[in-house]
This record gives sequence, structure tokens and C-alpha cells, in this order.
Amino acid sequence: DQQVKQNSPSLSVQEGRISILNCDYTNSMFDYFLWYKKYPAEGPTFLISISSIKDKNEDGRFTVFLNKSAKHLSLHIVPSQPGDSAVYFCAASAGSNQFYFGTGTSLTVIP
Amino acid sequence: EAGVAQSPRYKIIEKRQSVAFWCNPISGHATLYWYQQILGQGPKLLIQFQNNGVVDDSQLPKDRFSAERLKGVDSTLKIQPAKLEDSAVYLCASSSRAGGHEQFFGPGTRLTVL
Repeated sequence: DQQVKQNSPSLSVQEGRISILNCDYTNSMFDYFLWYKKYPAEGPTFLISISSIKDKNEDGRFTVFLNKSAKHLSLHIVPSQPGDSAVYFCAASAGSNQFYFGTGTSLTVIP
Repeated sequence: EAGVAQSPRYKIIEKRQSVAFWCNPISGHATLYWYQQILGQGPKLLIQFQNNGVVDDSQLPKDRFSAERLKGVDSTLKIQPAKLEDSAVYLCASSSRAGGHEQFFGPGTRLTVL
């Protein structure tokens, strides 16, 4: 049972434009959401997170939006840079355990 | 600050053989996680330790997988015997506290079972 879903396996964006990565979840008990970035042959690295009590969190070029009623979150990257090209994973947790990851979206930023 | 260390980085074995992976978390991190990432999928949590106690191992196939974290520091994950479907990258991660959502991942061990 895939509790966290990323329905777009890949995304291509021109450098300088906005990248929007989407994630849907099914478990209403999730109370914390995270985005991780992964380069080939490396482990995922933490990017940004949001608690279920908020609907937006911003960190530099990265903003995460949470829509609890739709069980949907998105990651916005503005402006996109070639170094942002990587696989992005959405993750969710309920309490201090039960971490679930999506299948990832491969972002390519075209110079 | 040193990151999460894992070894080996790559391992090729034949089915029915045994294999072990080692992880050393970031110093002082009480929580340690093992994940399995099959090609084309996201990481799946296998087991979570808090110090040397197991917090969650609900997705660990206990008939063939085992893990331990002696002394609450480094950890080993073992598969015995391995099956073809165990081919995956095994990721270790750590976090600084219970409920610490931000996890720091190691580079992973890529296991190929022939």
C-alpha cells in the first residue's frame, strides 16, 4: 500500500524558471512532511520540511506547500538552477516513527 | 562533522548466501534507521532503533533479515539467506533525537543477488 505517491516520475524545466514537484498522501495521521534530494550514488539529503499545523514553509529558493484537505503537498524551486538536477523524494511520518517515502521525481534543469 | 558511514559500498552474492552491512551513525545521534531502496522505488523503512532498542521493525522480513545495534552506536543488518528480490540499495540514516524528523543518510550499500 503506497501511502505517499509521487505521480510524476520526471520533470524538465528551463534554468531560471519555477520547478513544481508534487506529492499526494493517503494517511490522515501523517503530521510531518519532508523533501529529500538525491544525487546518483549518494544517500538522500534533507531539503525542507513542514509540520501539519502549517500550510507553507520557505527556505531560500525552496518553498513547500501543504494542503491537508486535499492530502497534497508540493515543492517549489525558484529560480531553478542546473545544480538542482536530482531525484526528489517526498516523505511523511506519523509521530516519531513510521516514515514513508514516495517513489521520487527526477528533475532536470536545462541550462 | 563526519557523516553516516556505511560499508561495503557494493556487494555481489549468490542467492541463499548470507551478507552483512555495517553502519556507523553521526556521533551522538540516538536514532538509527535502515532502509531498503529497490530500483525505481522510494526508500522503505526496515527497522528503527532508539539507542540500542528497537522502536519499529514492522516492515522487516524477520525470517531472513536481522539487525542489531550493540552499545547504541554502530549497527549491522544481516540477510540470511538472500533471495533475488533482496537486490537493492540498503541505506542507513541517523537522527539526533527520538522523533527527530530530519534524517542524515549514508551513501548506501548496493546489493546484487545473482
